[in-house]
Amino acid sequence: DTGVSQDPRHKITKRGQNVTFRCDPISEHNRLYWYRQTLGQGPEFLTYFQNEAQLEKSRLLSDRFSAERPKGSFSTLEIQRTEQGDSAMYLCASSSTGLGDNEQFFGPGTRLTVL
Amino acid sequence: GENVEQHPSTLSVQEGDSAVIKCTYSDSASNYFPWYKQELGKGPQLIIDIRSNVGEKKDQRIAVTLNKTAKHFSLHITETQPEDSAVYFCAAIFLQAGTALIFGKGTTLSVSS
Repeated sequence: DTGVSQDPRHKITKRGQNVTFRCDPISEHNRLYWYRQTLGQGPEFLTYFQNEAQLEKSRLLSDRFSAERPKGSFSTLEIQRTEQGDSAMYLCASSSTGLGDNEQFFGPGTRLTVL
Repeated sequence: GENVEQHPSTLSVQEGDSAVIKCTYSDSASNYFPWYKQELGKGPQLIIDIRSNVGEKKDQRIAVTLNKTAKHFSLHITETQPEDSAVYFCAAIFLQAGTALIFGKGTTLSVSS
């Protein structure tokens, strides 16, 4: 257990529905990242936050994807109007600036299945 | 664009043998290279990392080497054990996207006893 938690662990939804995932990072970590992992591939970077600021979002897969970190602690990733191609594992990671900078610790992921 | 290539995609060894996984990266500005182990149904677990000011780093049975000139780095596991069986990913930091990581496609390591 890395200390990064994600909820839910599994989500099954029908095409066209909206889904929201939550990530709670390690408490002293100020950076939070979202990645997507499809079967047989490595994680693919989507977006990241430093405190509450979203510093990179150009890699979100489409305008149906959005993320927030309103108080600089937990974060949510929302997918609107889900498509079957959105089925994947969504991973969250956190890190801190300073000593041990760049070390990212991953949560267990949320597996999304779109029917 | 940024890219990390990883080889081999699958690796089968006998218990006690060594395993080597190799990666190359495209962004010469990258200065941080972690390795992750992922077991079925779990998130990736950081096992070792190396920064660009170091050529080699070792932690018990695991070692990583970095050649910045050639832009490649390798993971070495000695005295493999069945519990080393997992998917291993290399990654490189992508500085144009803050501190995001770009991952290779993974190597499935199988250690048979």
